[in-house]
Amino acid sequence: EVQLVESGGGLVQPGRSLRLSCAASGFTFGDYAMHWVRQAPGKGLEWVSGISWSSGTTGYADSVEGRFTISRDNAKNSLYLQMNSLRVEDTALYYCAKDRSPYYYYMDVWGRGATVTVSS
Amino acid sequence: AIQLTQSPSSLSASVGDRVSITCRASQGVSRALTWYQQKPGKAPRLLIYDASSLESGVPSRFSGSGSGTHFTLTISSLQPEDFATYYCQQFNTYPITFGQGTRLEIK
Repeated sequence: EVQLVESGGGLVQPGRSLRLSCAASGFTFGDYAMHWVRQAPGKGLEWVSGISWSSGTTGYADSVEGRFTISRDNAKNSLYLQMNSLRVEDTALYYCAKDRSPYYYYMDVWGRGATVTVSS
Repeated sequence: AIQLTQSPSSLSASVGDRVSITCRASQGVSRALTWYQQKPGKAPRLLIYDASSLESGVPSRFSGSGSGTHFTLTISSLQPEDFATYYCQQFNTYPITFGQGTRLEIK
């Protein structure tokens, strides 16, 4: 069974950093691109970042460009999101999602999400 | 960034109804469009990819159509489990963007 499990969420003050992790299982992790997608409370979906199978290509939403960094460790079947200079508006449920392709296009499997709350 | 505008934003319908949700792109995205279903407290679920291809395991009452800037998700006969929020998403041009969502409620 394909499974994605996010961790690392929590409460953090504005301006601080947080690192999310996503543990993947049930598929050959290194063959597929991965995404982070977030959903603020009561709001819609927002794509945050994507990374290709080999980490050769990454992309970011304008709202997080320069503050967030996506990375992956194929040997550990893990995806990461380093979030720096956090803002109140970054408060959201962060989903890890698998792509069907080696490059990031769309999401065919989603995790349950990790909650990030940015507040003083 | 490409803007996706879904209409309507909310919709009330009855079991057995045929409903359609529209997604319009601010510029052409070819057929690089997907549809997701999200139920309260759950992660989104892929329904349609490449504008009209049905994801494995998704009931055939769901269908997608369109290309360029105008896309439609149609549910041919609503079932109780279909009441949820639906999102379109484009991947033709980065950054990837989602529509604002359409909430489908029971009448």
